[in-house]
Amino acid sequence: DTGVSQDPRHKITKRGQNVTFRCDPISEHNRLYWYRQTLGQGPEFLTYFQNEAQLEKSRLLSDRFSAERPKGSFSTLEIQRTEQGDSAMYLCASSLGLGFTDTQYFGPGTRLTVL
Amino acid sequence: SQQGEEDPQALSIQEGENATMNCSYKTSINNLQWYRQNSGRGLVHLILIRSNEREKHSGRLRVTLDTSKKSSSLLITASRAADTASYFCAPNSGGSNYKLTFGKGTLLTVNP
Repeated sequence: DTGVSQDPRHKITKRGQNVTFRCDPISEHNRLYWYRQTLGQGPEFLTYFQNEAQLEKSRLLSDRFSAERPKGSFSTLEIQRTEQGDSAMYLCASSLGLGFTDTQYFGPGTRLTVL
Repeated sequence: SQQGEEDPQALSIQEGENATMNCSYKTSINNLQWYRQNSGRGLVHLILIRSNEREKHSGRLRVTLDTSKKSSSLLITASRAADTASYFCAPNSGGSNYKLTFGKGTLLTVNP
């Protein structure tokens, strides 16, 4: 399967701990997105990379959140000092970069539970 | 980008019936995309319709777009239990970041 992969699929942590998630996009895709989804809601945009450059961050991405995409390949999303409100599904997507008709392909997500 | 609003919030039908869900948005768009999400396969892109298109088909899916009413509809014909999922629309107004903004979706349940 050459789709978007995310690791881990599930993460349970205690409040105050740091967590890091990884996303491996489809290999030829130069755009990578992170979204967050809570129960009963659609995914909300967090941040976006074009190759290794982080081009936009949502207001939702507080200073406890940081994302990287070294060498324009895989990406990591780190949450420091987790809070219960961070509990959500974190989705990664990638796309080729074809302009406005770009199709984003989503990974299975990482479900985070903060106790 | 702008958020689409799906209607109804929930829809329950019998297998074999058709399902129609709607999406409304507020400002002009470049295109509108529909996605499906179920527990087994995550979020999957279904179809993209451009602002200069009025109707598009893909298998059992038919999408219409009425830019004058700022609305789109997704029709699933001859539904199957496997179509049970949440369906989201994502209107894309253009811009330089190409992010998608999703509403709360329509939860479709197809009963066998």
